[in-house]
Amino acid sequence: DGGITQSPKYLFRKEGQNVTLSCEQNLNHDAMYWYRQDPGQGLRLIYYSQIVNDFQKGDIAEGYSVSREKKESFPLTVTSAQKNPTAFYLCASSWGRVQDTQYFGPGTRLTVL
Amino acid sequence: GENVEQHPSTLSVQEGDSAVIKCTYSDSASNYFPWYKQELGKRPQLIIDIRSNVGEKKDQRIAVTLNKTAKHFSLHITETQPEDSAVYFCAADIINTDKLIFGTGTRLQVFP
Repeated sequence: DGGITQSPKYLFRKEGQNVTLSCEQNLNHDAMYWYRQDPGQGLRLIYYSQIVNDFQKGDIAEGYSVSREKKESFPLTVTSAQKNPTAFYLCASSWGRVQDTQYFGPGTRLTVL
Repeated sequence: GENVEQHPSTLSVQEGDSAVIKCTYSDSASNYFPWYKQELGKRPQLIIDIRSNVGEKKDQRIAVTLNKTAKHFSLHITETQPEDSAVYFCAADIINTDKLIFGTGTRLQVFP
C-alpha cells in the first residue's frame, strides 16, 4: 500500500478554522485527485490536477482550495466557507489518462467541532 | 449533470453464493467502467475494469458485463468468500474530461 500517503489520519478542528490536508506520492504519477467520502454518497471529486501548477475543479469544489507546486504533492485546504467539512478525505494519483488506475491514499478523517 | 446509479446499497449473501451489483450511467459517450473495492478501514483498490469495446471481462471469480445500449454494467462475484466483504464502487468516465464519476457504493457482506 505504499507510494501515496496522507497525513494526518485523524484531524480535529474548530468551526471557522481553515485546515490543510497533506497528500504525497512517490509513484512519479502526473495526475492527482481529491475525493470526499460520505456515508451513502460514494466518492465525490473535489479537485484534480493533471500537471504541476495546474488544477481543475471537480463536482464539489466550493469551500476547498488546492495547489500543485510539486509533482509529488497535492495539498487540500478545507476553508471556513465549506459548510459541512466533517468527512473522510481520500487522495489518489494516476498516470493521467482517465483509463489509468487511480491509486488511493489511506485517507484523512476530518472532524470539525 | 452526469451521474452513475448503483444498486443495491447493501447486499448480504451466504458464503459460496453469487453476488451481483448493478450500475447505470447517464453519459452515452462513456467508454471506461472500473470497479473499486474498499475493505473496512482500508483504501479503495481497483479490482476490474471494462472498456466499451467489449461486453464482458472475467478475472477468476469476478466478472463485469456491459450493456452499452441500456447504459448499464454489472459486477458478478461467484463462489463468494468472507474476504469478499467490502464496499464496492462502480465508476464511469465523463467524455472529454479526465474525470471518473463514482456510484454511491454497495456494502457486500458474506456470511460464513
